Amino acid sequence: DSGVTQTPKHLITATGQRVTLRCSPRSGDLSVYWYQQSLDQGLQFLIQYYNGEERAKGNILERFSAQQFPDLHSELNLSSLELGDSALYFCASSYGLAGIETQYFGPGTRLLVL
Amino acid sequence: AQTVTQSQPEMSVQEAETVTLSCTYDTSENNYYLFWYKQPPSRQMILVIRQEAYKQQNATENRFSVNFQKAAKSFSLKISDSQLGDTAMYFCAFTTYGGATNKLIFGTGTLLAVQP
Repeated sequence: DSGVTQTPKHLITATGQRVTLRCSPRSGDLSVYWYQQSLDQGLQFLIQYYNGEERAKGNILERFSAQQFPDLHSELNLSSLELGDSALYFCASSYGLAGIETQYFGPGTRLLVL
Repeated sequence: AQTVTQSQPEMSVQEAETVTLSCTYDTSENNYYLFWYKQPPSRQMILVIRQEAYKQQNATENRFSVNFQKAAKSFSLKISDSQLGDTAMYFCAFTTYGGATNKLIFGTGTLLAVQP
């Protein structure tokens, strides 16, 4: 158990819908990262928050958005879903921004868009 | 561009034997760290080992060790005394630091099967 929690574990929805994925970082961690793992794109960085502020964006679609709340939990919002959005979405956390800090991964949310 | 290449999509090893997984990376940055993550069938991402690029000494963690060749931008993982529980997808990754983000950049993975 990494200490990072993600809900829900599984999500099945239809095209055009909107879903919210939730992540609670390890106690004391200030940085939250979202990654997408799909068969065709592999593991890709989506977005990072540090202490409530957006720190960096990767290959995140405009239909996707995220935020980090004052209690440091984070939500990833996916809207106008398409079949290609089906993937495993990971949240990871670390204490700060130093590269050596281990990013601890949550168990992931498996999204299936039908 | 910053990239990680894992040229072995799949590998197989007998229990108790040694196996080496290959990884090369490309970055123009001088400050970075390298990692190997393991993803077993449960899909959980687990850190196996990490290496500070400024250190010449290769990192070791029990049965896991790396061969870090900075000039060649190579970072291979050696698993000794392979166990059935080592069966997993292994991802090589790196992150730079000192900039705006320490996001991880992953390779495409090597699926390792440990045979009894």
